[in-house]
Amino acid sequence: DAGVTQSPTHLIKTRGQHVTLRCSPISGHKSVSWYQQVLGQGPQFIFQYYEKEERGRGNFPDRFSARQFPNYSSELNVNALLLGDSALYLCASSLTLGQGRSNQPQHFGDGTRLSIL
Amino acid sequence: AQSVTQLDSHVSVSEGTPVLLRCNYSSSYSPSLFWYVQHPNKGLQLLLKYTSAATLVKGINGFEAEFKKSETSFHLTKPSAHMSDAAEYFCVGGGTGRRALTFGSGTRLQVQP
Repeated sequence: DAGVTQSPTHLIKTRGQHVTLRCSPISGHKSVSWYQQVLGQGPQFIFQYYEKEERGRGNFPDRFSARQFPNYSSELNVNALLLGDSALYLCASSLTLGQGRSNQPQHFGDGTRLSIL
Repeated sequence: AQSVTQLDSHVSVSEGTPVLLRCNYSSSYSPSLFWYVQHPNKGLQLLLKYTSAATLVKGINGFEAEFKKSETSFHLTKPSAHMSDAAEYFCVGGGTGRRALTFGSGTRLQVQP
């Protein structure tokens, strides 16, 4: 079975441009989350989507947006790119929403490495 | 609010010796706790998860973790390190009702031959 797939694997952009990152969840998973991992740090939560609706948002500016499609795949969009947006962007999927008492783990893709020049 | 603290940013062990990676958590709720591993330029792989059914949790690749409520700890251990264990390890929390994982700062494990 295919795991979480992300595209592209690497991307180079310049300041001020915009970027779209894509994620396909594991088959049957309805929740997708996005994380930003700056070099040397742990991942930081950006968004969670479930059934095409935003269900959680981290402390990121409005330049960051996302959406989930009827097939549960997702896009992360970042506008007006800054040097500080350089990071590994990770997508994770889970069967349902939330961790909670169900302790459902999230399954991560290998990420998209975004470099801003 | 849920938070996790990894007490060591870097741990170095010799191959064949035990591994101990320390994690403390703080939460107003019964926590959901996980350990993930990240190899270079890769995503995160789940090692184990705390389900509240047992305080000693066994994971993949010989790793296990013990949940100690009195110490608010969830340390990761392995009896004998292998070269392939060299990676970044993250202790991760997700409390009841929360929808996002909270990552610790990570511990880089080096395994010396």
